[in-house]
Amino acid sequence: QQQVKQSPQSLIVQKGGISIINCAYENTAFDYFPWYQQFPGKGPALLIAIRPDVSEKKEGRFTISFNKSAKQFSLHIMDSQPGDSATYFCAAARSNQFYFGTGTSLTVIP
Amino acid sequence: NAGVTQTPKFQVLKTGQSMTLQCAQDMNHNSMYWYRQDPGMGLRLIYYSASEGTTDKGEVPNGYNVSRLNKREFSLRLESAAPSQTSVYFCASSGEGGYTEAFFGQGTRLTVV
Repeated sequence: QQQVKQSPQSLIVQKGGISIINCAYENTAFDYFPWYQQFPGKGPALLIAIRPDVSEKKEGRFTISFNKSAKQFSLHIMDSQPGDSATYFCAAARSNQFYFGTGTSLTVIP
Repeated sequence: NAGVTQTPKFQVLKTGQSMTLQCAQDMNHNSMYWYRQDPGMGLRLIYYSASEGTTDKGEVPNGYNVSRLNKREFSLRLESAAPSQTSVYFCASSGEGGYTEAFFGQGTRLTVV
């Protein structure tokens, strides 16, 4: 049973556009929602994370929007760049137990 | 600072062979994890260790065993490899408390023929 559902599976965006990846969860006990970025041949690395007591967190071009009542959260990448081309995983965690989504392969076309 | 180190990086096994994937972290983390990554399936937890001497099954533990040798090292063993275990395996570690980042190794690409 997938604890975290992620969509879309793949995404193609023009340079300068906005990339949006969505995730949903069921377990209201989750209290930490990180996003990881993975480049080919590398391990995932933390990109940005949010706690459920805030509705939005922004770091540079990356923003997490969090809707606690809907149990949904999303990653927005503004002004997408070819260097952002990677696989993105959302996750939900509680007590150091991490549950990952299925991943989104993002391609940014120059 | 090496972070999380996995060995080997690549391995080809024949069906029925056994092997151990090694993982070590130098961040003094208590929690360590083994995940497998398959296309369209994301990262699925195989086993988890909250501290030295303790291990717990994750989502997909069948066919695997683990050993938390000490605080630094967490190994994953395949006793009798099967083609279904062809995957990329990641070890990770994280610090204490909630809201803590999980640090991943570079992965081991395993092919079982």
